[in-house]
Amino acid sequence: EAGVAQSPRYKIIEKRQSVAFWCNPISGHATLYWYQQILGQGPKLLIQFQNNGVVDDSQLPKDRFSAERLKGVDSTLKIQPAKLEDSAVYLCASSSRGTTYNEQFFGPGTRLTVL
Amino acid sequence: RKEVEQDPGPFNVPEGATVAFNCTYSNSASQSFFWYRQDCRKEPKLLMSVYSSGNEDGRFTAQLNRASQYISLLIRDSKLSDSATYLCVVKEGAQKLVFGQGTRLTINP
Repeated sequence: EAGVAQSPRYKIIEKRQSVAFWCNPISGHATLYWYQQILGQGPKLLIQFQNNGVVDDSQLPKDRFSAERLKGVDSTLKIQPAKLEDSAVYLCASSSRGTTYNEQFFGPGTRLTVL
Repeated sequence: RKEVEQDPGPFNVPEGATVAFNCTYSNSASQSFFWYRQDCRKEPKLLMSVYSSGNEDGRFTAQLNRASQYISLLIRDSKLSDSATYLCVVKEGAQKLVFGQGTRLTINP
């Protein structure tokens, strides 16, 4: 079974530029998550989708971050404009009610550096 | 106060030793608890769930103390391949996971 796919794997931009990340969850997984992991910290949930609807975006900085999952499958996360403090790994995860513990499976992440 | 607190370490222990990590959580209504493992520059992966009665998976033992809001992970007979960051995770609501900072472990030959 294919895992969660993310692209790009690495991105370097200058502050005030825009950037977008893409995620393709495990086939059949209805729930998709975006996390931000700053160096030395644990992942922090940014947004959770159930199919194409938002379940929780309470920790998403909505003045600069946006995310969508238009057809309930792939998702994109955008930052516009980027700040230095946005440098982090952006992890996408997916889960299904059919899996044990509703386990979340993570993709390899996109490592963003903002200069 | 952080929702999930862990000692970040690093812990450096010799191969074969026993090592234990602790974690505390602030939300007394939390119902599900996990340990995830994250290798350097890799994604987190589920190591094991933590049950009220305690549970064991090979060399790994997890325990939960609801009264003290405390979770532990014990690794016996540690191997070089156990070197990783161990993330304490609390589930809030149906599917939201709250991660601790992680405890970095290095097993030395």
